Amino acid sequence: NAGVTQTPKFQVLKTGQSMTLQCAQDMNHNSMYWYRQDPGMGLRLIYYSASEGTTDKGEVPNGYNVSRLNKREFSLRLESAAPSQTSVYFCASRGVSTDTQYFGPGTRLTVL
Amino acid sequence: GNSVTQMEGPVTLSEEAFLTINCTYTATGYPSLFWYVQYPGEGLQLLLKATKADDKGSNKGFEATYRKETTSFHLEKGSVQVSDSAVYFCALWAGSYQLTFGKGTKLSVIP
Repeated sequence: NAGVTQTPKFQVLKTGQSMTLQCAQDMNHNSMYWYRQDPGMGLRLIYYSASEGTTDKGEVPNGYNVSRLNKREFSLRLESAAPSQTSVYFCASRGVSTDTQYFGPGTRLTVL
Repeated sequence: GNSVTQMEGPVTLSEEAFLTINCTYTATGYPSLFWYVQYPGEGLQLLLKATKADDKGSNKGFEATYRKETTSFHLEKGSVQVSDSAVYFCALWAGSYQLTFGKGTKLSVIP
């Protein structure tokens, strides 16, 4: 049982480049989340998807877009990367009858 | 709005020392409370949780009690090990769409 998987694990971009971070879960969870983690800031929610076909903004959505491709997959896209988006990105999922979120291993992104 | 405040680190302890990481919260209603742990280079793992007042969550020798009167959920362990070195996050779930996290406390345990 893989749980929540994320690709890539590491990525270096130049300012203005675009990329998509991939996330998949095999726990049949309805809700999925994207967070960013910055030193001294804890985790901040970027976007979430309460169920397949829906997405909503979180605390820090500017500069990002998301796609809930199906129940398993939830991708995060940076259209024009900026140095301020250098961070560690975590995907998480949650089942309908639980309050617990399960996290992926993270993607460490550096924007030069 | 909801918020979580946890003690700032870093915290450095000798092996077998007693650990307390303080966490207090502000929330409407009756939130569920969590401690997550992040080992170096890894994602967050659920360490323990409590869903109502006076509940005690426990796992791997760690404990935390949900204290509604003091709005606290302090993490404790009687004897830490080097393998406990990690970042610890307190979080709450108030029935909305998101977890609210504290800023994290880095623990280093030295032999």
